[in-house]
Amino acid sequence: SQQGEEDPQALSIQEGENATMNCSYKTSINNLQWYRQNSGRGLVHLILIRSNEREKHSGRLRVTLDTSKKSSSLLITASRAADTASYFCATAPGGATNKLIFGTGTLLAVQP
Amino acid sequence: DTGVSQDPRHKITKRGQNVTFRCDPISEHNRLYWYRQTLGQGPEFLTYFQNEAQLEKSRLLSDRFSAERPKGSFSTLEIQRTEQGDSAMYLCASSLVLGAYNEQFFGPGTRLTVL
Repeated sequence: SQQGEEDPQALSIQEGENATMNCSYKTSINNLQWYRQNSGRGLVHLILIRSNEREKHSGRLRVTLDTSKKSSSLLITASRAADTASYFCATAPGGATNKLIFGTGTLLAVQP
Repeated sequence: DTGVSQDPRHKITKRGQNVTFRCDPISEHNRLYWYRQTLGQGPEFLTYFQNEAQLEKSRLLSDRFSAERPKGSFSTLEIQRTEQGDSAMYLCASSLVLGAYNEQFFGPGTRLTVL
């Protein structure tokens, strides 16, 4: 079963614009991670935010986490055509360090 | 390239046949995971190993599925008597668990098509 839901399901923007994707989840978590998947390929880890963190940056990526609302957002600034991919949030259940539970994903298309 | 490899990358088989997939994790990683992903969905957890011990199996892993990691290095996932509903991308991931945080590195996946 899927833990989270990403919003929107699909997003189309122009190169240079910012892209924001949201993720909601259901149960308590140890950490939340964002992954990127290019069409038909494996997943690439982008960033991990711990349950006691509220915001984290990595290059053009900014992730926020609101555990009271059980939600997270991923912001990609100054988007590039190469950012075109599906983006998934994944949660690690609280107290466990084993499986990841993925959301349904946001398909981002960046038009050149 | 994350360092996790999977073989084969694509497999087409007829319903009722058995298939086996292989995953080679990053060498120093002690945990290995299998996920299944169908079109338009996120990956779903199937099972994971800590070294050679299989510690958790999802309800998705029916009796037709078996996974092994005999020496705590590579792993195999076998599906017996394949069904059309088994068609999916099978993803392997590995991680080195230090403390409480668990970044998983994924392989490119094996795409299974059951005719």
